[in-house]
Amino acid sequence: DSGVTQTPKHLITATGQRVTLRCSPRSGDLSVYWYQQSLDQGLQFLIQYYNGEERAKGNILERFSAQQFPDLHSELNLSSLELGDSALYFCASSVTGGEADTQYFGPGTRLTVL
Amino acid sequence: AQSVTQLDSQVPVFEEAPVELRCNYSSSVSVYLFWYVQYPNQGLQLLLKYLSGSTLVKGINGFEAEFNKSQTSFHLRKPSVHISDTAEYFCAVSDRLGYGGSQGNLIFGKGTKLSVKP
Repeated sequence: DSGVTQTPKHLITATGQRVTLRCSPRSGDLSVYWYQQSLDQGLQFLIQYYNGEERAKGNILERFSAQQFPDLHSELNLSSLELGDSALYFCASSVTGGEADTQYFGPGTRLTVL
Repeated sequence: AQSVTQLDSQVPVFEEAPVELRCNYSSSVSVYLFWYVQYPNQGLQLLLKYLSGSTLVKGINGFEAEFNKSQTSFHLRKPSVHISDTAEYFCAVSDRLGYGGSQGNLIFGKGTKLSVKP
C-alpha cells in the first residue's frame, strides 16, 4: 500500500460523457501527478500540481482538466469522452515534486468508454 | 528532451535463473533514472533509482541496476528470480529541461513483462 488512494477503481461510461477521477496523496506529500496508461501509448504524463498550483503539463488533451485543492487532494476531469480515452489513470504523489523525488503511485482508476 | 527505450517487451525466464532487463535512455543533459515494477492490477512501485555517485544501485527485492553513461544504459539485474517477480518493469527518466530547469514528471519506457516459470 503506497498511501495514495484513488476513487473510483472502475468507471464505465459512454462517449460524450464527463467523469471525475479523485486522488488523495500520501500524508505529507505536496505534489500530485496524473499519468495515463494505455496499450498503444504506454505510460504518459498528463499534469503535475504542487501545493495547489499547476507545475508541469504533459500530453494532456484540452478536454481534460485537473486541479489540486487546499487539502491537497486532486481531481482529474475528463469531458466529451471518446473511445480512445479508455485507459488506466494513475495518480502519484511526492514530497516536493522535484526531479529526484520518489513518486508513489495509487492503484489507478480503470476508465472504459463505450 | 529525454526518451527511454526498453528493448525487450517480454522476457521469459525459469525460476532461480538470473535475469537482465535492458533500458537505454537518450538525453542531452545529466539524468536521474528509475526502475518501477507493476504487479498485476496494482500501481507502480519504485525498485531503485540513480541520482548520482556509485553507478551500481541496489534496490528492493534483490534487484540492482548499473548506470553506464558511455552506453546510455541503466540495465536491471537479479541473480536469481522467483515466481513472485512476475510483473511488468518500467524504466523511467526524470524530465529535465535543457536550459537547466526541470519538471518533476517521469518519462517511461514501454515496459518489459517478466514471466518467471517454475
